[in-house]
Amino acid sequence: DAKTTQPPSMDCAEGRAANLPCNHSTISGNEYVYWYRQIHSQGPQYIIHGLKNNETNEMASLIITEDRKSSTLILAHATLRDTAVYYCIVSSRDNNDMRFGAGTRLTVKP
Amino acid sequence: EAGVTQSPTHLIKTRGQQVTLRCSPISGHTSVYWYQQALGLGLQFLLWYDEGEERNRGNFPPRFSGRQFPNYSSELNVNALELEDSALYLCASSRPGTNTGELYFGEGSRLTVL
Repeated sequence: DAKTTQPPSMDCAEGRAANLPCNHSTISGNEYVYWYRQIHSQGPQYIIHGLKNNETNEMASLIITEDRKSSTLILAHATLRDTAVYYCIVSSRDNNDMRFGAGTRLTVKP
Repeated sequence: EAGVTQSPTHLIKTRGQQVTLRCSPISGHTSVYWYQQALGLGLQFLLWYDEGEERNRGNFPPRFSGRQFPNYSSELNVNALELEDSALYLCASSRPGTNTGELYFGEGSRLTVL
């Protein structure tokens, strides 16, 4: 069973920021938050991960709340190619329990 | 750098048959993961192999099995195929060490059971 809760779908206008929320209220102290996306019919793509600090890379930013019970993935300037299902996963490096939930279907509109 | 490769890309089997799917991880990666994605559904975790050993297993019956070879490639075997086994089977690999949750996926093997 997935340990995260995400909205089933979201829309975003092209060029605007897309903010995808994830609740993980039962996260343990040694569990990381990972984000992946899956574009139709392709294998999932790793985006970013973090433990407690905010993280940024060339693809996105990850904001984790201080109590670590929720996080937000931010795509700063969404493009049509960002339309995908986005998955939030929590897992420790001990068991690598990388179980995907239902994710959020993000649709970027022109 | 070559990505994760899977074979075959597509195959059709009939109920009761057996199938073997293959996965070659990225060079230098020692962990391999297997997932099942039925049409329109999410990814279901099947198996995790690391350094040749099965480390974790999802909620699948024993007729789903696999192994990892000394070169870190992996096979997924499914015996006594059922219609509901029709799905995209995805393999992923990860590096040894600290970033073990950073998975790199192949494009999958699409299995159709008739």
